[in-house]
Amino acid sequence: EMVMTQSPVTLSVSPGERATLSCRASQSLGINLAWYQQKPGQTPRLLIYGASIRATGIPARFSGSGSGTEFTLTISSLQSEDFAVYYCHQYNIWPLTFGGGTKVEIK
Amino acid sequence: EVQLLESGGGLVQPGGSLRLSCAASGFTFTSYTMHWVRQAPGKGLEWVSGISGSSDSTYYADSVKGRFTISRDNSKNTLHLQMNSLRAEDTAVYYCAKGSDLTFDYWGQGILVTVSS
Repeated sequence: EMVMTQSPVTLSVSPGERATLSCRASQSLGINLAWYQQKPGQTPRLLIYGASIRATGIPARFSGSGSGTEFTLTISSLQSEDFAVYYCHQYNIWPLTFGGGTKVEIK
Repeated sequence: EVQLLESGGGLVQPGGSLRLSCAASGFTFTSYTMHWVRQAPGKGLEWVSGISGSSDSTYYADSVKGRFTISRDNSKNTLHLQMNSLRAEDTAVYYCAKGSDLTFDYWGQGILVTVSS
């Protein structure tokens, strides 16, 4: 099973600042990596797929990068609505797996 | 508009069974792989199972293999998850999710399954 490790577990950021989230895979997965956002009490929302392609309706301040085993989600200027938990997800091999999540909280 | 509506959750004793359903609308159901993803209380996301559009292929997480069975009824645009031999660690909100190249582009609101005596 592909193990996905996210860091940090919690990220404290002030509004307007840049946030950088990391996701590491236990083996290479090419660019078959997605990112999801989940706010409290809400369902997850697809942000990024193909490691760097924004899903429909996702603002340009969200960007993804990386390939192989190292991936990054960057939020260029945090807005109040961006404070949430973010999960990476590999879809290169079965079983599909998620990272443990990074909580982005207000500093 | 894509809509996914789960049903069938509730409280069940350890060792018991439960069948979840997901009614889909707003897209061509047969064209998409569908999935179940769960989230234990206060925990992260865990993919559970997936099924191809034609039901030719099914996939399971190791944690549920041999206990859960995914199926779909394309005539009724409905996805199912039969859960047997339930354990306390299966307690979670179960989400139905529409697949898009093995990502999940639409999610249902989720249904709570509680396994407890």
